[in-house]
Amino acid sequence: DQQVKQNSPSLSVQEGRISILNCDYTNSMFDYFLWYKKYPAEGPTFLISISSIKDKNEDGRFTVFLNKSAKHLSLHIVPSQPGDSAVYFCAASGTYKYIFGTGTRLKVLA
Amino acid sequence: GAGVSQSPSNKVTEKGKDVELRCDPISGHTALYWYRQRLGQGLEFLIYFQGNSAPDKSGLPSDRFSAERTGESVSTLTIQRTQQEDSAVYLCASSLGPPGRGSYNEQFFGPGTRLTVL
Repeated sequence: DQQVKQNSPSLSVQEGRISILNCDYTNSMFDYFLWYKKYPAEGPTFLISISSIKDKNEDGRFTVFLNKSAKHLSLHIVPSQPGDSAVYFCAASGTYKYIFGTGTRLKVLA
Repeated sequence: GAGVSQSPSNKVTEKGKDVELRCDPISGHTALYWYRQRLGQGLEFLIYFQGNSAPDKSGLPSDRFSAERTGESVSTLTIQRTQQEDSAVYLCASSLGPPGRGSYNEQFFGPGTRLTVL
């Protein structure tokens, strides 16, 4: 039972354009959502988070949107840069566990 | 060190052998997690330690898998009688504490151990 889903395994975007990564979840008890970024041969690193009491959180070029009624969150990267090329995981927590999605590989083309 | 470290970085073993993976969390972090990432898959939760509480082992895929943590320090993940389907990257993460209701403690991940079972 995949409680957190990232349905797009990969995404290619031109440098300078917007990257939109999507994530869907099924458990309405999740109350915190996170995005992690992972480069090859490294562990994931925390990127941005959002509490379920908010619908938007912004940090520089990164914005996370949460639509609770649709159980959907998205990560927007504007403008996209080649250094953003990585695998992005969304994760959700409701207790002490973090449930991760399968990841989306973003490639930003120069 | 400043971050989470894991050893070995790579491990190749033969089917049926036992392996032990090590994780050194960030000092002072009471929460420690083990995850597994198979090729093309997401991060699969394995086990969670919080301070001196009983660990949550609900993610361990079989009784061949076990993990220990001494206090709030080093943790070892042991896989007995390894199978080819155990091949994966095993990631360890630590945080100051667990997420609470409506709150979050950032997880810091180690670089992982890539296990290959021949």
